[in-house]
Amino acid sequence: AQKVTQAQTEISVVEKEDVTLDCVYETRDTTYYLFWYKQPPSGELVFLIRRNSFDEQNEISGRYSWNFQKSTSSFNFTITASQVVDSAVYFCALSEYTNAGKSTFGDGTTLTVKP
Amino acid sequence: DAGVIQSPRHEVTEMGQEVTLRCKPISGHDYLFWYRQTMMRGLELLIYFNNNVPIDDSGMPEDRFSAKMPNASFSTLKIQPSEPRDSAVYFCASSWGGGESQPQHFGDGTRLSIL
Repeated sequence: AQKVTQAQTEISVVEKEDVTLDCVYETRDTTYYLFWYKQPPSGELVFLIRRNSFDEQNEISGRYSWNFQKSTSSFNFTITASQVVDSAVYFCALSEYTNAGKSTFGDGTTLTVKP
Repeated sequence: DAGVIQSPRHEVTEMGQEVTLRCKPISGHDYLFWYRQTMMRGLELLIYFNNNVPIDDSGMPEDRFSAKMPNASFSTLKIQPSEPRDSAVYFCASSWGGGESQPQHFGDGTRLSIL
């Protein structure tokens, strides 16, 4: 069975600090996909990134970076020089190849960035 | 391109009434998902369709809930009779071509309050 754990329920930082959101997953499949979504206070869920299980390259997009490590079953998300607009709930999700179509979401991490 | 469109955005009704939530997926997407989000239970997958066919409805809480997808551009989630514990934000999402690998695009959600 697939499972996603986001152990950090809430994180609070001051603007310009770096922050890392943790995501640990469980799956028996060798082919799977990992995602991060952002849910700002306005409520909509926005897709941020997708990673497949065969690509362990880290990715950087502006102030955002993602570290995928199969050895520890983790897919962590780092925001560099955080800004108030980064305040949101962030969800990590997992889709298994053998469970087509279904994503399992973590419980989310609420990030608050204070000015 | 238009995103996933949900209606209504807000619904307030009395216990026992029938509630119908509507969703128009992104054109060309072949997967459609219904989620429910509450503070207590987080984001729950209720049901999902592939090519208009329900694939997994194991998340539907009870027989009071039903979902249909009569064509590729429209889906409904119905609650009859509604109860106060059904109060939540209901999201519809769609994805394309192999749901296990593609990100889901979410609508803005319907905020449902059952009095």
